[in-house]
Amino acid sequence: AQSVAQPEDQVNVAEGNPLTVKCTYSVSGNPYLFWYVQYPNRGLQFLLKYITGDNLVKGSYGFEAEFNKSQTSFHLKKPSALVSDSALYFCAVRDLSGYALNFGKGTSLLVTP
Amino acid sequence: NAGVTQTPKFQVLKTGQSMTLQCAQDMNHEYMSWYRQDPGMGLRLIHYSVGAGITDQGEVPNGYNVSRSTTEDFPLRLLSAAPSQTSVYFCASSSLGFTAGELFFGEGSRLTVL
Repeated sequence: AQSVAQPEDQVNVAEGNPLTVKCTYSVSGNPYLFWYVQYPNRGLQFLLKYITGDNLVKGSYGFEAEFNKSQTSFHLKKPSALVSDSALYFCAVRDLSGYALNFGKGTSLLVTP
Repeated sequence: NAGVTQTPKFQVLKTGQSMTLQCAQDMNHEYMSWYRQDPGMGLRLIHYSVGAGITDQGEVPNGYNVSRSTTEDFPLRLLSAAPSQTSVYFCASSSLGFTAGELFFGEGSRLTVL
């Protein structure tokens, strides 16, 4: 089955520092990978996706993600964190049916002033 | 543009009661789905639909029914609520090419079953 893993339950970073939220994947064939963000008491919002092409994908709110096939990773990054980036981040992969996303357990990002 | 609208936002049920969570979207999306979110487990797919009259099961369908009579609406019915169904439920929609696109989520319905 197509799956993703987020090894960190929580990531803490100081405002202005770079941030990385980790995701690894396990798939058959080529992966369709996504990142979503969830602010408190809100639904998930799409950040970015990797389907094919450049390994560095740029998305919303200054986020980017690097697809690494040899390490089966799709880490989310931002050069300079903001306090407003504090939220729950989910990595996801399209399943083999093509009609569902399989989500990781989520990583809570806390950016401190 | 309302996007995906879920009602109610909060609900408390007693074991054995039934209820319907409503979901409506105004983006003319063919694809609609229901996920449940539980702490430490991410989101799990309950049911999905790729158009009016077409539904299918996801990862955790037991105890839930769905129907899709219109493009806009995709209600989720709990037939006989159990404490294990205490969760936050999210409806999401997309165009059918969503694997190259993105899911649009509602703001969630928090259900507690006593």
